[in-house]
Amino acid sequence: QVQLVQSGAEVKEAGSSVKVSCKASGGTFSSYTVSWVRQANGQGPEWMGMILPILGVANYAQKFQARVTITADKSTGTAYMELSGLRSDDTAMYFCASGSNVRLDYWGQGTLVTVSS
Amino acid sequence: EIVLTQSPGTLSLSPGERATLSCRASQSIGSSYLAWFQQKPGQAPRLFIYGASSRATGIPGRFSGSGSGTDFTLTISRLEPEDFAVYYCQHYGGSPYPFGQGTKLEIK
Repeated sequence: QVQLVQSGAEVKEAGSSVKVSCKASGGTFSSYTVSWVRQANGQGPEWMGMILPILGVANYAQKFQARVTITADKSTGTAYMELSGLRSDDTAMYFCASGSNVRLDYWGQGTLVTVSS
Repeated sequence: EIVLTQSPGTLSLSPGERATLSCRASQSIGSSYLAWFQQKPGQAPRLFIYGASSRATGIPGRFSGSGSGTDFTLTISRLEPEDFAVYYCQHYGGSPYPFGQGTKLEIK
């Protein structure tokens, strides 16, 4: 059973960047995809991108392509999501989720990112 | 880009009743890559159904998924108090792996 533990809440100024971590335990981190999904208050989830740690290859939703970078450290079983050029509408809960073939079997607890203008 | 539309937006039912939630895709997506998630307030979504009809680990048998092409259904045969939550469908067969807007299942 994979467990994902995310870093704590962040408050950022508009225009800055945020980097959220997601540490995996209890499973085969490298061979599962790790996706990042965000959810604004009262809205549905929105997929941002993913990485396959064993290959280090990332794939991003076109909406976020210019601003998001997803990386993974196989040695520590940790994935990272960095979002730049923060705007007020980036205020949301950010989740990491892992599974085989982009399926979202396991989820982190979420990290609240608040962007202040 | 595929858009998933869920209906109804809110479903008001009583414990013991049967719930039928719908997810319609803007174009055919086959059946292999359609998932259903349950989300309760303050929690992450939880995978309930994958491949349109396969229950995830630990999901009770009263939950079933069906459908293919553009029309998919999540059925809860007899509602338990813990089933009242928001349910999302998702297509995970191709980027940007869209979610539906959700159906809120509330106690009548």
